[in-house]
Amino acid sequence: DSGVTQTPKHLITATGQRVTLRCSPRSGDLSVYWYQQSLDQGLQFLIQYYNGEERAKGNILERFSAQQFPDLHSELNLSSLELGDSALYFCASSARPGTEAFFGQGTRLTVV
Amino acid sequence: DQQVKQNSPSLSVQEGRISILNCDYTNSMFDYFLWYKKYPAEGPTFLISISSIKDKNEDGRFTVFLNKSAKHLSLHIVPSQPGDSAVYFCAASALITGNQFYFGTGTSLTVIP
Repeated sequence: DSGVTQTPKHLITATGQRVTLRCSPRSGDLSVYWYQQSLDQGLQFLIQYYNGEERAKGNILERFSAQQFPDLHSELNLSSLELGDSALYFCASSARPGTEAFFGQGTRLTVV
Repeated sequence: DQQVKQNSPSLSVQEGRISILNCDYTNSMFDYFLWYKKYPAEGPTFLISISSIKDKNEDGRFTVFLNKSAKHLSLHIVPSQPGDSAVYFCAASALITGNQFYFGTGTSLTVIP
């Protein structure tokens, strides 16, 4: 158990819909990262937060947004969903930027 | 643009022998490197890391080597065990880009009993 909690574990939704993925980081970790893993692909960095502030942005679509709340949990919002958004979405946390990150179990999103 | 590359999608090794997983990177600003292990339907698990000020870091059966001039790192697992069978990802980060982690595409290791 990495200490990073992601909910829900599985999500099935229709095209055009909007979903919210939630991440609770390890106790004490201030940095949160979101990654997308599509079938047979590597981990694509989406976005990083540190202590509530956006720190780095990767290949995150405009239809996607995220935030980190004062209690340090984070949410990833995916809207106007397309079939191609079906993937595993991972959240990771680290004590601070530049230290090893610990991953949650992921949320498997299926868009039908 | 893939800044971290793992050119071997798969590797098979006999139990007890050495497994060597390789990783190349293109960004000379990377200053911190990590290896993760991933089982199906689970999140990646941190294995070992190395800072750019070192060229070797060892933790039990796992050793990571860094060759900065060649922009290459490798993970050695000795001796390999069947439980090591998983997908291994290397990752790199740079302070200058906010320390986001760039991941390779992974190498699937199979340790044959």
